[in-house]
Amino acid sequence: DVKVTQSSRYLVKRTGEKVFLECVQDMDHENMFWYRQDPGLGLRLIYFSYDVKMKEKGDIPEGYSVSREKKERFSLILESASTNQTSMYLCASSRTGKSTYEQYFGPGTRLTVT
Amino acid sequence: GNSVTQMEGPVTLSEEAFLTINCTYTATGYPSLFWYVQYPGEGLQLLLKATKADDKGSNKGFEATYRKETTSFHLEKGSVQVSDSAVYFCALRPLSGGYNKLIFGAGTRLAVHP
Repeated sequence: DVKVTQSSRYLVKRTGEKVFLECVQDMDHENMFWYRQDPGLGLRLIYFSYDVKMKEKGDIPEGYSVSREKKERFSLILESASTNQTSMYLCASSRTGKSTYEQYFGPGTRLTVT
Repeated sequence: GNSVTQMEGPVTLSEEAFLTINCTYTATGYPSLFWYVQYPGEGLQLLLKATKADDKGSNKGFEATYRKETTSFHLEKGSVQVSDSAVYFCALRPLSGGYNKLIFGAGTRLAVHP
C-alpha cells in the first residue's frame, strides 16, 4: 500500500524558532510537494522537488526553504517561524512523466506558531 | 493564468439526497481535471479524474464529466451517505509545465445528516 508519512500531526512553536517538517514516501516517486492548506484558500504550493537536490519555488515560497538529500525524503524548513505561518501543511508525492499521475498525500501537520 | 473555482460551502444534505458540487476552471488548452476528497483528520485522496474533453470520471458512486464548452467539471452523486461527509477539492493539471503540478480550488465542505 502506498504511503506518505509526515513527522508530526500537531506542532506548536514560538515566533522566531526554526521549524523542520519532514515527509517520507515509500513509492520511489520522483516528485515531491509541500502545500499549505488554509480555510477558503484551498491548497497552495510552497515548493516542489523533481529529483534529489533539485527544487523549484511554488506559488508562496517566501519564508520557507526545502531540502531533498534522499529520494524518499523531503523537508520543509521555516527559518524563523511567524504567526502567519500557522496552518495545515500537506506533503505529497507523484511519479513523473507525460502521463497524468495521481498525487499521494500525507495526513498533514497542523502547525501553530505562538 | 490557470485557476479553479468551486462553489462555496458548506453544503448540508440529508442522507440519500442528490449532490452537485460545481467546479469551473480557467486554463490554456485542455488540462487534466481531478476531484480529491479529504475526510476529517486525513490527507487528500484522489476520488476521480478525467484527462480529455467529454471523459467521465467515476468512483464510489461519484461522477464528473469534463465539459470543455463550459470549462466545467461538476461533481455529482445520486444518493449521499453520512460517510461522504468530507471536504472536496477540484484540481487541474496544466497542459504545460510538467512535474505533475496541480492547481486546487478552495474546497467545498459537505455535511450529510441522517
